[in-house]
Amino acid sequence: EVQLVESGGGFVKPGGSLRLSCAASGFTFGNGWMSWVRQAPGKGLEWVGHIRGKRDGGTSDYAAPVKGRFTFSRDDSKSILYLHMSNLRSEDTAVYYCTPSSWPFYFAPWGQGTQVTVSS
Amino acid sequence: QAVVTQEPSLTVSPGGTVTLTCGSSTGPVTSGHYPYWFQQKPGQAPRTLIYDVTIKHSWTPARFSGSLLGGKAALTLSGAQPEDEADYYCLLSYSGGQVFGGGTKLTVL
Repeated sequence: EVQLVESGGGFVKPGGSLRLSCAASGFTFGNGWMSWVRQAPGKGLEWVGHIRGKRDGGTSDYAAPVKGRFTFSRDDSKSILYLHMSNLRSEDTAVYYCTPSSWPFYFAPWGQGTQVTVSS
Repeated sequence: QAVVTQEPSLTVSPGGTVTLTCGSSTGPVTSGHYPYWFQQKPGQAPRTLIYDVTIKHSWTPARFSGSLLGGKAALTLSGAQPEDEADYYCLLSYSGGQVFGGGTKLTVL
């Protein structure tokens, strides 16, 4: 069974940093693209970005609001995806989800999400 | 960055049919945008219903179908059930990234 478990969320002050983790199991992690999606309180879904699998170069694309502040990385030996967030702003407050986005998963399943709150 | 537009809200009667649409500020939506549709119920993570315009996941009820319609991606629900009341989001792919629509709140009433 494919499972994703996000962790690392919490409270952080504006300008601070945080690292989220997404532990994956039940599939061959290293070949797949992984995406991050966030949802601010009472708002819609927002694509944060994705990181390609190793055979596609392992590079990343980021949404404009987070580019230059967020960085994705992955430890394929441990099947863990990371989201490194820096210079956090109040508008980054959201639940952050990870999901495998390439074949054969196509954004399924989703983890339970981890809450990030940026506030002074 | 492209803007993806959806109807903010729609209402359908139980057993009725409704079509949700997904447009792009850059022009007609095509298969090259690889449209996705997601369903999200309160307090739950999203669930993917359809990808690549028309393809369903194994858990997607048969009453949901995807298409391209009038330059937009479309999600049609035929025979609405009370449990279909939820928020629905589309996702389109562009060079360099993907963009969600603002979501459609579907009421079954």
